[in-house]
Formats: sequence, C-alpha cells, structure tokens
Amino acid sequence: DAGVIQSPRHEVTEMGQEVTLRCKPISGHDYLFWYRQTMMRGLELLIYFNNNVPIDDSGMPEDRFSAKMPNASFSTLKIQPSEPRDSAVYFCASSRSGQGNSYEQYFGPGTRLTVT
Amino acid sequence: AQKVTQAQTEISVVEKEDVTLDCVYETRDTTYYLFWYKQPPSGELVFLIRRNSFDEQNEISGRYSWNFQKSTSSFNFTITASQVVDSAVYFCALSEAGSGNTPLVFGKGTRLSVIA
Repeated sequence: DAGVIQSPRHEVTEMGQEVTLRCKPISGHDYLFWYRQTMMRGLELLIYFNNNVPIDDSGMPEDRFSAKMPNASFSTLKIQPSEPRDSAVYFCASSRSGQGNSYEQYFGPGTRLTVT
Repeated sequence: AQKVTQAQTEISVVEKEDVTLDCVYETRDTTYYLFWYKQPPSGELVFLIRRNSFDEQNEISGRYSWNFQKSTSSFNFTITASQVVDSAVYFCALSEAGSGNTPLVFGKGTRLSVIA
C-alpha cells in the first residue's frame, strides 16, 4: 500500500512568493495532520483535520498560513507571502480513527522548504 | 499541558553496545498514548511503537525493547547490540485520549550515532 505522499519534496522560493505544499493521506485514514520541523522548535503541530474538517488550527503561526482539505485524499498547506523564517521541513501525517483509541500516525517524507 | 522531555541530546556508542534512550512525559490526563518514532538521515519519520497508558507491560521487538513506568512518567527505549543502521534521531511523543485521534506532542529528540 502507498504511504502518505507529499509534494514537492524540496521547494526553494524567494521571500514574498506563495508556496503550496500538497499531501495525499493513506487511503482509508480519516485524520490528517500537518507538522513543521525546525532546529529551534522541533516538531510542532500546525493543524489537523478529521473527515476533511479542520479540528484544531491553533498551531498555525500567522494568517499567512492556510490549510484546506477539499476531499478525503488531498490536502494543501499554503503560505502567502512566504518569509525566510518559514524555512523548515513540513510533514503531513495520517491516521485512522478507532473506538477511544489514538492510533499511530504515519508520516509522509516531508517537504523541505527554503525561503531566501 | 502536555510535555515530553528527552534529556539526552546526543548519544554515541560503539557497534554491539546496548543503549537506552530516555523519555519523561507530563500530562494531566489519566488516559494517554506514548509513541516512539525514528528519523534516519534520509529524513522520514518511521513509527516504532505505540503504548496505552493503562498497559504497563514492557514490550520487546527484536533488538528493541521499551520500558514503560507510570510511577516515574517514563517510557524508555533500549536497543540491544546496536548496529550502524540504528544511527538516527529518535523521538518520543505523547497524545491525549479523546473522542478521536489527537495530535502528537514530541520531545526534542535524541541523536544516536553508532560507530563501527
């Protein structure tokens, strides 16, 4: 089975440009999470969805960040305008729901974003 | 608030040595889940184990073993007879029990270097 798919794997852009990161979760998973990894802050949650509905976006740093999940097999994370401090690795993860259980999250390979 | 502490930033061992990675967590929840993930040099996050707070039984999987002690809020990970391929950053993570899946709160990670 295919794992979580993210694109692009690497993105280099100039400050002020719009950046769109994409994620395809594992088929059948109804939870999708976006995390960001930086040296200073480690791995931190940005936003997560359940059945395509955003549940908690308190980790989204600023209004420049937005995320959507138009259907069960696709999500985007958009940064507009991008800034150098947004440089990080962005991970998408998915998991399936269970009865009272918090199941393991499977991560995509990440998108390494560099904003110059 | 939930918190995960991995006090060991970096560990270096010689191949075939045993090594234990420490993880201490804080949570007010009575039911929660603990996880370990591996991040090899290639950058992806690989799920290793999930543990429920009500199950304190230790677990062994090949050369890997986990020691969960609720009394000390610790969930330590031991690699027996380490190999060069074990070199990676290892993350301990915590999630609360809720009506569904919840985000992971990660520790800062421990970088393990296994020297041949």
